[in-house]
Amino acid sequence: GAVVSQHPSRVICKSGTSVKIECRSLDFQATTMFWYRQFPKKSLMLMATSNEGSKATYEQGVEKDKFLINHASLTLSTLTVTSAHPEDSSFYICSASGTGGFHNEQFFGPGTRLTVL
Amino acid sequence: KQEVTQIPAALSVPEGENLVLNCSFTDSAIYNLQWFRQDPGKGLTSLLLIQSSQREQTSGRLNASLDKSSGRSTLYIAASQPGDSATYLCALRNNAGNMLTFGGGTRLMVKP
Repeated sequence: GAVVSQHPSRVICKSGTSVKIECRSLDFQATTMFWYRQFPKKSLMLMATSNEGSKATYEQGVEKDKFLINHASLTLSTLTVTSAHPEDSSFYICSASGTGGFHNEQFFGPGTRLTVL
Repeated sequence: KQEVTQIPAALSVPEGENLVLNCSFTDSAIYNLQWFRQDPGKGLTSLLLIQSSQREQTSGRLNASLDKSSGRSTLYIAASQPGDSATYLCALRNNAGNMLTFGGGTRLMVKP
């Protein structure tokens, strides 16, 4: 159990376009989802936390109008990078936690590699 | 604010060697501590999770310990193999909330 998927796994886009990344919990209800960003050879940096049906809470320094997060259902959260620029190129990873036996830890997706040309 | 440090940042060992990865943290009020493995370009694989009330967890050749009083955790890998080559991350969940604080990771290379 506790499988989290991300789609797409890899995306290349032109500067100025918007890109949407999906994060799904496949076998449990994710009451909370987290979005991380990882630069090459660096650790994970938390971008935002979202609870189902509520607005996301963004970490300091993360532009909420740049990185739009929607958590409209208990199995799906989306991260939209608006007007992407080359400096937004990164590895984006989501994680999810739920209730009951899924409350104790975060379960991570496989990540999405975004390259902005 | 919780700060998590992993030493060393990189480690290269010959196959078969036993090794220890270190993780230190500044705030002992933790809920649990988790060790992850990350292969290049991939997501995180959870290796071991230690609850605040526990002192160690074991899975196969891996053993993780937790000493809250000294703010330290270690990941012991026995009889290392080339397939163990990866980045190992420790992450802490504090009592106050659900979020994880990650260390910088240790990049391990096991040479055949």
